[in-house]
Amino acid sequence: KNEVEQSPQNLTAQEGEFITINCSYSVGISALHWLQQHPGGGIVSLFMLSSGKKKHGRLIATINIQEKHSSLHITASHPRDSAVYICAVRVYGNKLVFGAGTILRVKS
Amino acid sequence: EPEVTQTPSHQVTQMGQEVILRCVPISNHLYFYWYRQILGQKVEFLVSFYNNEISEKSEIFDDQFSVERPDGSNFTLKIRSTKLEDSAMYFCASSGIDRVASEQYFGPGTRLTVT
Repeated sequence: KNEVEQSPQNLTAQEGEFITINCSYSVGISALHWLQQHPGGGIVSLFMLSSGKKKHGRLIATINIQEKHSSLHITASHPRDSAVYICAVRVYGNKLVFGAGTILRVKS
Repeated sequence: EPEVTQTPSHQVTQMGQEVILRCVPISNHLYFYWYRQILGQKVEFLVSFYNNEISEKSEIFDDQFSVERPDGSNFTLKIRSTKLEDSAMYFCASSGIDRVASEQYFGPGTRLTVT
């Protein structure tokens, strides 16, 4: 069983749409990360959460520790948001365990 | 803004050869990591390093792999005798003083191709 599950695997949206990507995990964690990976391969950290909600520009991330669930929301999506969004959890020690990623394509 | 750098960006090597992948973490960071991503698959943890020693490693990180911080700025991953299945993108990351509260910052990756 995967420790980190993301849904959906693929998502196509029209420019301007509100987007939600979900992440569920089955292990005890100290933090959850949302990462963005562009076609060139580089990984950029978007958020690190251990509780509640964080907002940065058009991106919002929430986490529910009791339900072991997190969501990443993108408001007013834009073609430049097209990327792979990865949920990763920090488990015992300091290593990250990664989800498979959600491939997002925003069409203009 | 400080960033993690990695060299080379792409390395092609023959099976059985040794490779060294190099990383320069953010200068005041204390925790260092290597991850890898085989094409089309998830990112996987390889090893974490603190205070000049390995603090945790995965089952992937066998005797063929080693890490070193040779000069206080570079952090290297060595693969002694490369196999075809070592072909992947290798990411270095670093984090700051507080192991739990610090975010991990990733380098741009080195694409390793073993032929």
